[in-house]
Amino acid sequence: DTEVTQTPKHLVMGMTNKKSLKCEQHMGHRAMYWYKQKAKKPPELMFVYSYEKLSINESVPSRFSPECPNSSLLNLHLHALQPEDSALYLCASSQVPRNWSYEQYFGPGTRLTVT
Amino acid sequence: GENVEQHPSTLSVQEGDSAVIKCTYSDSASNYFPWYKQELGKRPQLIIDIRSNVGEKKDQRIAVTLNKTAKHFSLHITETQPEDSAVYFCAASKVNFGNEKLTFGTGTRLTIIP
Repeated sequence: DTEVTQTPKHLVMGMTNKKSLKCEQHMGHRAMYWYKQKAKKPPELMFVYSYEKLSINESVPSRFSPECPNSSLLNLHLHALQPEDSALYLCASSQVPRNWSYEQYFGPGTRLTVT
Repeated sequence: GENVEQHPSTLSVQEGDSAVIKCTYSDSASNYFPWYKQELGKRPQLIIDIRSNVGEKKDQRIAVTLNKTAKHFSLHITETQPEDSAVYFCAASKVNFGNEKLTFGTGTRLTIIP
């Protein structure tokens, strides 16, 4: 299985709602990532988990809260978002480099709209 | 931090011709340079990558070249086909044991004209 899955595919939420995005991979990868992608822009890194520990937080506002319950799952908890947070949220994973394999595998993304 | 510039932002090429996309990076410590293809509404997918100890890599119609001294790398697509139409992103990273922070270029929208 060489796939990263994400749920839901689409999410519409109000500014007072609390919701969560989910990401799952079964490739044995030990690094997992959250990216935010606005229309016609490149993906922007938000968080990196390595061996289930948060290793990089790109100064993301606290209304985004990541969680890595185990090596296969990655969540992004959302609370009190703003309309400008509307974007495609991509999850990715990669293995610890072996034979110089550093590929990050991306999920299909969750299209988030904040109203 | 790393900064990656990518040119051109849009590129239209006649089917069968070649396409070249260029990127420059700022951090001389970066050592891994992937290229991702993203079709409309789909996930980014790796099409080719290169490490800093290699000057060129080829995979069928796709090749990447790296000039470490000048800090630039390029994607070359030969014999272009309609299915090559997509947005292409270059990226740069310092490999850190599965903890890679990819810095992406701004993207090139490639259109293949039948």
